[in-house]
Amino acid sequence: AQTVTQSQPEMSVQEAETVTLSCTYDTSESDYYLFWYKQPPSRQMILVIRQEAYKQQNATENRFSVNFQKAAKSFSLKISDSQLGDAAMYFCAYRRRAAGNMLTFGGGTRLMVKP
Amino acid sequence: GAGVSQTPSNKVTEKGKYVELRCDPISGHTALYWYRQSLGQGPEFLIYFQGTGAADDSGLPNDRFFAVRPEGSVSTLKIQRTERGDSAVYLCASSITGGTEAFFGQGTRLTVV
Repeated sequence: AQTVTQSQPEMSVQEAETVTLSCTYDTSESDYYLFWYKQPPSRQMILVIRQEAYKQQNATENRFSVNFQKAAKSFSLKISDSQLGDAAMYFCAYRRRAAGNMLTFGGGTRLMVKP
Repeated sequence: GAGVSQTPSNKVTEKGKYVELRCDPISGHTALYWYRQSLGQGPEFLIYFQGTGAADDSGLPNDRFFAVRPEGSVSTLKIQRTERGDSAVYLCASSITGGTEAFFGQGTRLTVV
C-alpha cells in the first residue's frame, strides 16, 4: 500500500518570502503521479502542481515549484514571493498511473502567511 | 454547471438515521470519486465510478456505506444507521477518463449528533 507523509503540521512565512513544504511517500510502483493540492476554508481542493514520476525535470507553475527526488521518495513544494492568499491547508497526494484519480493524500500542512 | 456541485453543503443528523449526499460532476466527466476527510486529516478514498459502474469501492469502510450513479452523471452517497464517527467532510471529484486532474467540489460537512 502507498503512504504519503507530511511531517510539518504547520508552517509560517512572511509575505514576499519563500517557504518549502515537505512530503515523502512510499510506493513499490515506478510509474505514478504526485500532486500538491491547496484547500482554503471553502473546503474545495485546488490543484497547485503535478509531477509525473518518469519526468526528471521538476515541475514549475508560476510561483510554485517542486523538488522531486525519486530515489529518496521526496516531493517538496516551494512557494516563492508568498502572498496572503496562499494561506491554506496544503496536501501532498500520490496516484498510480493506471489507477485513475484514486489519490492517496498526506495529512496536510497548514500554511500561515504573515503580512 | 461549471464545477462539481455537492449538496447539501452541511448536514446535521441524529445517530442511527439515514442520510444521502449528492454530487453533480462536471458535464462530460465520466469518472467520479468520493473521498472522506475527517477533522485534521487528509482526504481518504472511498469509491470510484467509471460511468455507471463502481470501478473500485475498496475504500468504503463498511456495509453501511453505499453509492450509486445510475445514469453515469449524478452520484449519491448513502449512509445507513449513521454513527458519530461518520462525522466528516465528504468530498466528490470528477475527471475525464484518463485525465490526470481531478476537480473537486466544496464537500458536504456531515455532523452526526
